[in-house]
Formats: sequence, C-alpha cells, structure tokens
Amino acid sequence: KAGVTQTPRYLIKTRGQQVTLSCSPISGHRSVSWYQQTPGQGLQFLFEYFSETQRNKGNFPGRFSGRQFSNSRSEMNVSTLELGDSALYLCASSSPGTSGASSYNEQFFGPGTRLTVL
Amino acid sequence: GQNIDQPTEMTATEGAIVQINCTYQTSGFNGLFWYQQHAGEAPTFLSYNVLDGLEEKGRFSSFLSRSKGYSYLLLKELQMKDSASYLCAVPLYNQGGKLIFGQGTELSVKP
Repeated sequence: KAGVTQTPRYLIKTRGQQVTLSCSPISGHRSVSWYQQTPGQGLQFLFEYFSETQRNKGNFPGRFSGRQFSNSRSEMNVSTLELGDSALYLCASSSPGTSGASSYNEQFFGPGTRLTVL
Repeated sequence: GQNIDQPTEMTATEGAIVQINCTYQTSGFNGLFWYQQHAGEAPTFLSYNVLDGLEEKGRFSSFLSRSKGYSYLLLKELQMKDSASYLCAVPLYNQGGKLIFGQGTELSVKP
C-alpha cells in the first residue's frame, strides 16, 4: 500500500503571497489531518477533514484554510503569507472506525512540505 | 484545557536503556500515542496505549498510568539510529482525528 504523499516537498514564497499544498492519503483512508511543525511551537494541529467536511479546527487564523475532495485528497491554502508561516506542514491520514471516529486509529504521516517565506 | 509535558532533550549511551517521560492533562481520555521523528522526516508510529500497564514491542516499550496522567517510552539496547525526536500525543476526546502533541524529546545516542 502506498503511503501518504505530499506535494510539493519544498516551497519558497515571499511575504504576501499565497500557497496551496496537497496531500494524498493512503488508499481507503477518509480522514486527513494537517499539522504545522516549527522548532519553537512543535507540532500543532491545523484542521481535520473527513468525507469532504471539516470536522475539527485548531487555533490558527482564517488565512489557513483547507478542503477535501471526493477521493479523500486534501489541500490546504495559506493566504497573505507571513514570515512566521515558515514551517514544515505535515498531513496525516487515518482510517476511521465504523462510528466515524478516528481517535483510536493510528495516523500515518506524509513526508511534509517545507515552506520557507522570505 | 489540554497540556502535555515531556523533557526537551536527553542523552544516552549506545547499548544503554533510556526512559522518556510524558505527563498529560486532558478533558476526557482516548489513549496516548508515541511517535518517533528523525530530523527532516515524518513522524512514524511507535505505540498506542489506552489501558494502564506496559506494552512491549521489541526494544521499545510504552507504559501508561491513567490515574497519574503519565506515560513513558522505554528504549532498550540503544543504537545510534535511535537518535531522534520522540513525540507524545493524545487524541482529544470526541474530536475525531485531532492529536495534541508534546514538544518532543530530542534523544542523542552517543557511542
């Protein structure tokens, strides 16, 4: 089974620009979560999508948004980039139980997209 | 609120045993994950504990005490390749796939 894939792997942008990152989950996984990882803050939850709906959201400004398609692929978008948005963006997919809750299930992480904002 | 604490860094010697502690405070409890992350790579799953006690998996074991809000990851027969960041994470109760991570413990294994 192929793992979680993320594109692009590396990205350099300038302040004020916008960026779109893509994540393809493991086949059959319907839950996709996004995380931001920085040296100072560690891994922080951005949002989770399940069956094309945002199910959970972290404490990030509205400049951070996402969506999920019918094939479970997900994208996240960051508008009006700031220097502080430089980070590793990780997505993780999991297979929810029959109840739809994925809390008990292992999350498989993709390799991440390294975003640098200049 | 939710809070997870783990030491920032630890150093150990090749062949030794090291214990990485994690304390957590959450409203509701759905278990606790340990992940390993090598520099520049994605986190990889090590263990998941939902009941009290010790779970052993090869050189790695993970322990959980729900009454104390405490877990530890035990690494035996340390190898140089075990140098990595070890992340403790808890899924939030009734919040689907949302994981709250500790800051991670950077383990350095010396020869």
